[in-house]
Amino acid sequence: GDSVTQTEGPVTVSESESLIINCTYSATSIAYPNLFWYVRYPGEGLQLLLKVITAGQKGSSRGFEATYNKETTSFHLQKASVQESDSAVYYCALGDRNMGYKLTFGTGTSLLVDP
Amino acid sequence: DMKVTQMPRYLIKRMGENVLLECGQDMSHETMYWYRQDPGLGLQLIYISYDVDSNSEGDIPKGYRVSRKKREHFSLILDSAKTNQTSVYFCASTLGSAETLYFGSGTRLTVL
Repeated sequence: GDSVTQTEGPVTVSESESLIINCTYSATSIAYPNLFWYVRYPGEGLQLLLKVITAGQKGSSRGFEATYNKETTSFHLQKASVQESDSAVYYCALGDRNMGYKLTFGTGTSLLVDP
Repeated sequence: DMKVTQMPRYLIKRMGENVLLECGQDMSHETMYWYRQDPGLGLQLIYISYDVDSNSEGDIPKGYRVSRKKREHFSLILDSAKTNQTSVYFCASTLGSAETLYFGSGTRLTVL
């Protein structure tokens, strides 16, 4: 079946350091995957951080970037300089462009940024 | 204001009791979801609702049922709750496709 594997947390990074959270996917039943990063801040629901629907393209939001790499089936999340306010749980997710109702989520990566 | 509201935020029940989790959205979204998340697992899809009275099982529907009588409300029902249904439950909605899901803050259910 379809699956998403991401960096196991918790991940602790000092403020202003760089960050990468790895995400790889397996889309055995999806011909044209859409890829997403969602974020959940403490006490809130998940919210979309960024999405990319075309292989080879990069998405960006709030200083975060992720590139959809079809060859390596990866969608790693990166940020050059994290802030304390980035402390949250980050979820990589996989969707089907042609049957767009269902998302498959990774386990989530808890990020703690030390001030 | 685009919002998905879940009630209650925390709930403790005894095994065998009935549980009702409620979800509302103010965006007139057609599609709504119930997910659960357990430690070390991703969000697992329980049910999808495509509109009023148009519901479909997700990946783990056993032990759950849903009700959607109005577009803005989607309920998850556990008849005779079990201890392995202790989890955090998330409701979500989307306008049509799953490109952007809007999530509620979650309900932490403990079944003793």
